[in-house]
Amino acid sequence: ETGVTQSPTHLIKTRGQQVTLRCSSQSGHNTVSWYQQALGQGPQFIFQYYREEENGRGNFPPRFSGLQFPNYSSELNVNALELDDSALYLCASSLLGMGGLGSPLHFGNGTRLTVT
Amino acid sequence: TQLLEQSPQFLSIQEGENLTVYCNSSSVFSSLQWYRQEPGEGPVLLVTVVTGGEVKKLKRLTFQFGDARKDSSLHITAAQPGDTGLYLCAGAPGNQFYFGTGTSLTVIP
Repeated sequence: ETGVTQSPTHLIKTRGQQVTLRCSSQSGHNTVSWYQQALGQGPQFIFQYYREEENGRGNFPPRFSGLQFPNYSSELNVNALELDDSALYLCASSLLGMGGLGSPLHFGNGTRLTVT
Repeated sequence: TQLLEQSPQFLSIQEGENLTVYCNSSSVFSSLQWYRQEPGEGPVLLVTVVTGGEVKKLKRLTFQFGDARKDSSLHITAAQPGDTGLYLCAGAPGNQFYFGTGTSLTVIP
């Protein structure tokens, strides 16, 4: 069983630039969720994709966008980077359809983004 | 803004002591999960609770889901240095999980 992998592990960008983060889901999972985590705090829900469609969104502006591909891998795109976007970005895959109850999230180790 | 508030935010205890972490919300959840996260890694699932009043035990860890499904607690008995980490609760009002503010636990040998 292949776990969730994220790339790159670290990234440094300049304010105003654009960034794309990538995630490969665990095999057999059909849903991917993206989270932003500041140091020492809980992850903040950005959005979720199910069968290539956005299936829910947290309180993040439109410059945060995503894609899910037929093989269930995913991308998170952030345009017009701001200093406050510096954080750990986590991807989690899960299996939706199990009654929608308690399907565990399987996380990657994240991408550490620094915006200068 | 996070739906779930955890307390305490930080906890530093001696090996062998007991502790309780709380997770509270004004929202009702269809299920609630607890995760532990270590530095440089993603959160790892500890337990899922789905029924109000449910109690689950995982070795020295005891998890309880509130009767109204709005809150939960995690109790650790005889803490060990290996328990050190960031403990996160996560609730699902629907199909998406929202995480709590986190409790950073340090167990001193």
